[in-house]
Amino acid sequence: DVKVTQSSRYLVKRTGEKVFLECVQDMDHENMFWYRQDPGLGLRLIYFSYDVKMKEKGDIPEGYSVSREKKERFSLILESASTNQTSMYLCASSPILAADKWELYFGPGTRLTVT
Amino acid sequence: DAKTTQPNSMESNEEEPVHLPCNHSTISGTDYIHWYRQLPSQGPEYVIHGLTSNVNNRMASLAIAEDRKSSTLILHRATLRDAAVYYCILRDDIYGAGSYQLTFGKGTKLSVIP
Repeated sequence: DVKVTQSSRYLVKRTGEKVFLECVQDMDHENMFWYRQDPGLGLRLIYFSYDVKMKEKGDIPEGYSVSREKKERFSLILESASTNQTSMYLCASSPILAADKWELYFGPGTRLTVT
Repeated sequence: DAKTTQPNSMESNEEEPVHLPCNHSTISGTDYIHWYRQLPSQGPEYVIHGLTSNVNNRMASLAIAEDRKSSTLILHRATLRDAAVYYCILRDDIYGAGSYQLTFGKGTKLSVIP
């Protein structure tokens, strides 16, 4: 089974802190994604990566950066956490497959609270 | 990006079939229709996907209209464990050759009544 793990299920940080959210997948997937989920807004894509050291902005990249130094690990960085970044953060990965076989695999999520 | 429209919420009685509708009137010829669901306190999980023909798997069936402007996810016998938010998504192929991404909407919250 594909496994996507996230470093923490719950995290509490103070305003202004630098925050690292880590995601690791164990199935050699090329593609990795970071989403945030807020009530009434659904899932929104922050950043994604199609290869090591490669990153692309999603719909809401402001206030975030990412790092992908190894294929299995994709980190989301909040340079200076703010209260409006309190949210559920979801990591996902996918292989490069034929169009009829592709699917996305999600981790369990990290609920981040910034106080 | 092609968009989808789903009802905000639906209810079903346990052990009865559930038909979850999705409209996607601006779908293009190469857009796959994906369904994911999110159980409480979990990340979303894949349910089913299709292009033109109806699809069946162990979790559900996907019925796609002939003009592809709508689709229906069918749960044949709802259980309490099927209570979740169900997302209908049109898959974008940003760079081609398998570099896909999904843009999630708000989904349909399905409640199952015992």
